[in-house]
Amino acid sequence: EAEVAQSPRYKITEKSQAVAFWCDPISGHATLYWYRQILGQGPELLVQFQDESVVDDSQLPKDRFSAERLKGVDSTLKIQPAELGDSAMYLCASSRGRARNEQYFGPGTRLTVT
Amino acid sequence: KNEVEQSPQNLTAQEGEFITINCSYSVGISALHWLQQHPGGGIVSLFMLSSGKKKHGRLIATINIQEKHSSLHITASHPRDSAVYICAVSATDSNYQLIWGAGTKLIIKP
Repeated sequence: EAEVAQSPRYKITEKSQAVAFWCDPISGHATLYWYRQILGQGPELLVQFQDESVVDDSQLPKDRFSAERLKGVDSTLKIQPAELGDSAMYLCASSRGRARNEQYFGPGTRLTVT
Repeated sequence: KNEVEQSPQNLTAQEGEFITINCSYSVGISALHWLQQHPGGGIVSLFMLSSGKKKHGRLIATINIQEKHSSLHITASHPRDSAVYICAVSATDSNYQLIWGAGTKLIIKP
């Protein structure tokens, strides 16, 4: 069964360091989402791609976060510099389209900033 | 008032009991999703509904579009069903982005 892949699964970094997360969506899925989930809260959408184009990045803290999906397949989310408040689970999801399509989630990357 | 409300927030039951989790929403939707998250884990999509009823194993999800209400049922509950169950809707006025409920924390005791 096809799955969304994410790496690394866990990352510990010191504040002010750079960190990057990678996501490989299910083959053929045009829409890719990055979410941030702080412990005890629901996921917050950071950025949404349709193929290689950003559809929505209104909640992405652009002074330190960046996301790209250069070939419209896999995607990278970067934080530079990391802050203590960035400690969270970073989830990637993909779907065939946007409207009625089910989102499939990856296992997530748990980031701890010390 | 939250656009997606779930009840109960917490539910503890004995193994074997029939479980019902409810979700009400106030926005126009193209689909409703039920998802599961184990402690410290990622999110797994259980169902996507736009009408009627779906069944997968011991899980059943129903939706009433007119009443803007959905239920997730678990039959013959088992301790491994212990998790947070989240209702989320693809809102037509929000570019189909998911609006998330607060989740229901379910604990099934052996």
